[in-house]
Amino acid sequence: AQRVTQPEKLLSVFKGAPVELKCNYSYSGSPELFWYVQYSRQRLQLLLRHISRESIKGFTADLNKGETSFHLKKPFAQEEDSAMYYCASRSSNTGKLIFGQGTTLQVKP
Amino acid sequence: GAVVSQHPSWVICKSGTSVKIECRSLDFQATTMFWYRQFPKQSLMLMATSNEGSKATYEQGVEKDKFLINHASLTLSTLTVTSAHPEDSSFYICSAIQDSGANVLTFGAGSRLTVL
Repeated sequence: AQRVTQPEKLLSVFKGAPVELKCNYSYSGSPELFWYVQYSRQRLQLLLRHISRESIKGFTADLNKGETSFHLKKPFAQEEDSAMYYCASRSSNTGKLIFGQGTTLQVKP
Repeated sequence: GAVVSQHPSWVICKSGTSVKIECRSLDFQATTMFWYRQFPKQSLMLMATSNEGSKATYEQGVEKDKFLINHASLTLSTLTVTSAHPEDSSFYICSAIQDSGANVLTFGAGSRLTVL
């Protein structure tokens, strides 16, 4: 079954500290992995996808098939990074996008 | 960029009435749209896949007679919550995939339903 797990509901760090939001997935095929972000009072928006292998707003995420993980990282957190972050997996068969439980990132000044 | 519009953004209704929520892709065509439900401080739960010109595919546990989905055109999908009850109160979010493009989902802003 297609499943995404984000073990942390809340991650609180100080400005300038490194950040790692954990995500693990389970899927029998080759999934496509994404990170979405939802800032306060805004709609969900795509942050990055694993096939792009790019850095957006200083965030990166590497797909580790051995550990079935797709952790989101940023070396120096900024206050404006405070938001809800969702990891998601998409099935190549059905196109369905399944979300993890979400992690609230709180960056303190 | 691709924009998905949802209407209404919020609605309050009496128990037993039906409510229709529209999801429109404003500047692209979308054969496939998805409907999600989000409870407070929880994740998005996929309800159904809406396919233009054919029946929607519902996730396990979602009542198709309760949540009617109609995808009549390449830019519009509607979700009708029939005979709404207070437990149907939730945030409903739609998303759409561009038929031609980066194969990425674009999300609407969501519709908050409150059933009294």
